[in-house]
Amino acid sequence: DAKTTQPTSMDCAEGRAANLPCNHSTISGNEYVYWYRQIHSQGPQYIIHGLKNNETNEMASLIITEDRKSSTLILPHATLRDTAVYYCIVRVPSSWGKLQFGAGTQVVVTP
Amino acid sequence: DAEITQSPRHKITETGRQVTLACHQTWNHNNMFWYRQDLGHGLRLIHYSYGVQDTNKGEVSDGYSVSRSNTEDLPLTLESAASSQTSVYFCASSSSFGPSNEQFFGPGTRLTVL
Repeated sequence: DAKTTQPTSMDCAEGRAANLPCNHSTISGNEYVYWYRQIHSQGPQYIIHGLKNNETNEMASLIITEDRKSSTLILPHATLRDTAVYYCIVRVPSSWGKLQFGAGTQVVVTP
Repeated sequence: DAEITQSPRHKITETGRQVTLACHQTWNHNNMFWYRQDLGHGLRLIHYSYGVQDTNKGEVSDGYSVSRSNTEDLPLTLESAASSQTSVYFCASSSSFGPSNEQFFGPGTRLTVL
């Protein structure tokens, strides 16, 4: 599975959009981009995934560049409850669900 | 509603004792996983299973074992607990179908080995 690079931490003001970057320059054609988050002391939670098209669900939007070497997770209106560690993971679906977590980005949403 | 539960939520044990952490899911998922998370680190895969009677070693499997006798449960056993196994343990499950393979995580078990 391709390796990802994320900033260690970032702050965001409550009510503003949070844009979380992820670099995956070695991604291969059949690898998907997945985002999970982990709120303090809880188990990780799935957010969204995509292959090459932009995706949106009730939690977030995922923007993948045309060359697929990077992506951005967008939390449109950050709330205090969005304070968490966000993990960007790249893998092939046929790897049967195994997830390789990096260090992630610690996002702190401030009032 | 379907869910995934872990027990106990907190456990203190002594070095050398055998410990079993329980994981139970009602999603009817074929895939189940055990991870550990240490302070300042991401989650690391210990063992996983793709179905009944199937078990596989993950990245950090030494000192741990699992067995899968039914779809719902994947207990994790520490044969002889060591202080290095003090950690938070997360169980997860996922369906085998579709690219989502969304994993649903349990609330975690905090294990302290003295």
